[in-house]
Amino acid sequence: NAGVTQTPKFRVLKTGQSMTLLCAQDMNHEYMYWYRQDPGMGLRLIHYSVGEGTTAKGEVPDGYNVSRLKKQNFLLGLESAAPSQTSVYFCASSLGTAKNIQYFGAGTRLSVL
Amino acid sequence: AQKVTQAQTEISVVEKEDVTLDCVYETRDTTYYLFWYKQPPSGELVFLIRRNSFDEQNEISGRYSWNFQKSTSSFNFTITASQVVDSAVYFCARSETFQGAQKLVFGQGTRLTINP
Repeated sequence: NAGVTQTPKFRVLKTGQSMTLLCAQDMNHEYMYWYRQDPGMGLRLIHYSVGEGTTAKGEVPDGYNVSRLKKQNFLLGLESAAPSQTSVYFCASSLGTAKNIQYFGAGTRLSVL
Repeated sequence: AQKVTQAQTEISVVEKEDVTLDCVYETRDTTYYLFWYKQPPSGELVFLIRRNSFDEQNEISGRYSWNFQKSTSSFNFTITASQVVDSAVYFCARSETFQGAQKLVFGQGTRLTINP
C-alpha cells in the first residue's frame, strides 16, 4: 500500500531553472494539496485541488503552478526557480471534508542556488 | 488568518520523563477538527489523532494522551514515560474552510528530543 508517493526526494536547482514535482496517490482521494515546510513556519498551503481537472491557489501560490489532469496525480511546477523557493515540499491527499485525515508523502527537499 | 500556536519551539527531556506539548488555536468556526502529526527524523508526516470540536473527551492511546479544552481553545498532547523513539517534530493542526474547500492550518511545530 503505497499511499502518497512524491518524486523526486531531493533536487538541487540553479536560479532560473524549472522543474516539476510529481505526487501520486492510490487511495482514490478527491482532494490533493501541495505544502511547503520552512523552519519555524510549519506547513503552508501552496495550491490544492478538489478533484480531477480543478486547481486553486492556497496561501503562498506565487512562483508555482499546478495541474491535476488525472485524479491520482498532482503536479507542482516551478517555472523559474528562486532561492526563496528552497524548502521541503509535501504533497497530501484526503477524501475532502473537514473531518478527513490528510495523508502525506515523504517530502521533496529542494535547494535553489 | 486564524492561527494555530505551538509556543514551545523545542523541548528536551530525559527518557522516561513525561512531557506535554501545548497547542492553542484560533477559530470562528463552530465545527472544526483538530489533528496532531508526528514528523520523525526520516521526514515524513505521520497522522496521530483527530478530534471533533464537539467531542471534549480526553483520549489515551498507549503512552499518548490528548487533552482538548474548548473553553481555552487548547489541544495539548502528553507523552508518558517518553522513549528515544518519540524524538520528532510534532505538529498541531486545525481544519479550516478556505474558499469553499477544506484545508489544514498548522502550528509551527515543536521539536521534541528524548535523551537516553
